[in-house]
Amino acid sequence: SQQGEEDPQALSIQEGENATMNCSYKTSINNLQWYRQNSGRGLVHLILIRSNEREKHSGRLRVTLDTSKKSSSLLITASRAADTASYFCATDADNAGNMLTFGGGTRLMVKP
Amino acid sequence: DTEVTQTPKHLVMGMTNKKSLKCEQHMGHRAMYWYKQKAKKPPELMFVYSYEKLSINESVPSRFSPECPNSSLLNLHLHALQPEDSALYLCASSQESWGEQFFGPGTRLTVL
Repeated sequence: SQQGEEDPQALSIQEGENATMNCSYKTSINNLQWYRQNSGRGLVHLILIRSNEREKHSGRLRVTLDTSKKSSSLLITASRAADTASYFCATDADNAGNMLTFGGGTRLMVKP
Repeated sequence: DTEVTQTPKHLVMGMTNKKSLKCEQHMGHRAMYWYKQKAKKPPELMFVYSYEKLSINESVPSRFSPECPNSSLLNLHLHALQPEDSALYLCASSQESWGEQFFGPGTRLTVL
């Protein structure tokens, strides 16, 4: 079953602009992860944020987590055409062992 | 070696066929996963193996049969599939039963 919802479902921006994607989830979590998927390929892990963390950075990526609102956001700064992909949040619920439940995904297109 | 490999890349099978998907990792990871992903949808967890034992089966029909022969290999045996089983099948692994998962490129399955 789908734990989270992502917003927007699709996003189109120009190269150099920032892209923000949001994720909401329903249950208590141990951690939240963001993954990227190029069309028809496997997923690539981007960043993991634990439930006791509020913000995390990795290169051009910035992730925030608000457990009171059960939401997270992924910011990609200074986007590049190569960032074009689908982005998924995934939660590891605290009573569900090692099950990852993915959100619906945001399809990002960065135009050169 | 920091990758998960999957074979075959593409598979076309009839509803009466028996086939197997193969997944391999040599990162010493102790958890391995099978996911099913339909077009423009998020991955859905099917099975989890932890220390070579099946720990999670997400109510998957018996026409899908997982097998973990050793800590590096994960198979998914397919029998009497339906056209609606056509999808991208993704394998993943993680060092422990939580945290970052490493995904293979997937097997694109078409059931005729």
